[in-house]
Amino acid sequence: SAVISQKPSRDICQRGTSLTIQCQVDSQVTMMFWYRQQPGQSLTLIATANQGSEATYESGFVIDKFPISRPNLTFSTLTVSNLSPEDSSIYLCSVEYSSGGPFEQYFGPGTRLTVT
Amino acid sequence: AQSVTQLGSHVSVSEGALVLLRCNYSSSVPPYLFWYVQYPNQGLQLLLKYTTGATLVKGINGFEAEFKKSETSFHLTKPSAHMSDAAEYFCAVRTGGGNKLTFGTGTQLKVEL
Repeated sequence: SAVISQKPSRDICQRGTSLTIQCQVDSQVTMMFWYRQQPGQSLTLIATANQGSEATYESGFVIDKFPISRPNLTFSTLTVSNLSPEDSSIYLCSVEYSSGGPFEQYFGPGTRLTVT
Repeated sequence: AQSVTQLGSHVSVSEGALVLLRCNYSSSVPPYLFWYVQYPNQGLQLLLKYTTGATLVKGINGFEAEFKKSETSFHLTKPSAHMSDAAEYFCAVRTGGGNKLTFGTGTQLKVEL
């Protein structure tokens, strides 16, 4: 399996500011994903990030609000811009990885964001 | 479009009792199905998956699930609950040609003495 770390694990930010979340994987992976988990809710896919190409955003998510970088096969960042209290969520990075069989998605521990 | 329905947002069982968490899916093509577990303040951990082949799949921590195409279900079971099983469980579906996971709304499992 792939081991994924995220930084920071949690943060408290003021509205109007931005937070950049880092995701590091211990293996080279083609596809990385960013999810949002709002309080008490399920996971919603924000975007898919392939190395060397622009991220693909899901309906309801835009690049200006959630810019993503994917500079290499083991790292990605998600920035949540112009923060509002509604952005308070857990943000999770995941990767698609195969150990010989069908691809599976592995998740990082998440970044808990509180906007005040 | 694919979707996942988890019946029961909260399930409570006694320690040692059977655990049954329900998941029904909707997919126009043969699905890949997953169960994930999320412990408090942690990320998601893959419990088990169904892709092809045997419809009864075994996962970690004594959990198993059975893919029933006729019922479009993938219910998660464990014969005997343990206190450490208390967590939130998510069912997810992925269609074979794509890579996006669609998650259910989750079931919070509580295990009581």
